[in-house]
Amino acid sequence: DAKTTQPNSMESNEEEPVHLPCNHSTISGTDYIHWYRQLPSQGPEYVIHGLTSNVNNRMASLAIAEDRKSSTLILHRATLRDAAVYYCILISLSGAGSYQLTFGKGTKLSVIP
Amino acid sequence: DGGITQSPKYLFRKEGQNVTLSCEQNLNHDAMYWYRQDPGQGLRLIYYSQIVNDFQKGDIAEGYSVSREKKESFPLTVTSAQKNPTAFYLCASSPGQSVTQYFGPGTRLLVL
Repeated sequence: DAKTTQPNSMESNEEEPVHLPCNHSTISGTDYIHWYRQLPSQGPEYVIHGLTSNVNNRMASLAIAEDRKSSTLILHRATLRDAAVYYCILISLSGAGSYQLTFGKGTKLSVIP
Repeated sequence: DGGITQSPKYLFRKEGQNVTLSCEQNLNHDAMYWYRQDPGQGLRLIYYSQIVNDFQKGDIAEGYSVSREKKESFPLTVTSAQKNPTAFYLCASSPGQSVTQYFGPGTRLLVL
């Protein structure tokens, strides 16, 4: 899987928007961009994914650069419950039936009350 | 409720002892996975299974063993050959042909 680069940590004030960046300059045409997050002492949780177009769901929005070499996860109003480590992962759909997720260190988001 | 359960939440292992971590899912998912997480690090894949009675090694399989006799269950045994077993162990599952993985709450293994 292609490599991603994320800042080690970020801070946000509660109820403000948060933009979490991810660089993936070696992304291939078949790579999907996935985001997971992990709250302290819990298993990771799926957040959102996309290929080329921007995506929205109830948890977040994903903005993908036109050249696909970077993307940004957007939390529209940060809450204390959003404090977690956020992982940006590239996955290529090879049709093999199972997919190995390669987790880097992610970005630790702190939310300030 | 559908989901993935892991037990126990905390497990203590003595030197030279094998221990087995349980992972059960009632989501009817075909694929199941085991990951290891060390403090401040990302997850690393130990083993994965796409179907019953079949499994493949991940990146760090040495010192671990698994079985997949039932679709719902994918237990992980940490053998005495694993010299540094202290870690947070996470089990996940995914439906066939789906990339999204659903994780259990994890088991924290400590060596006495």
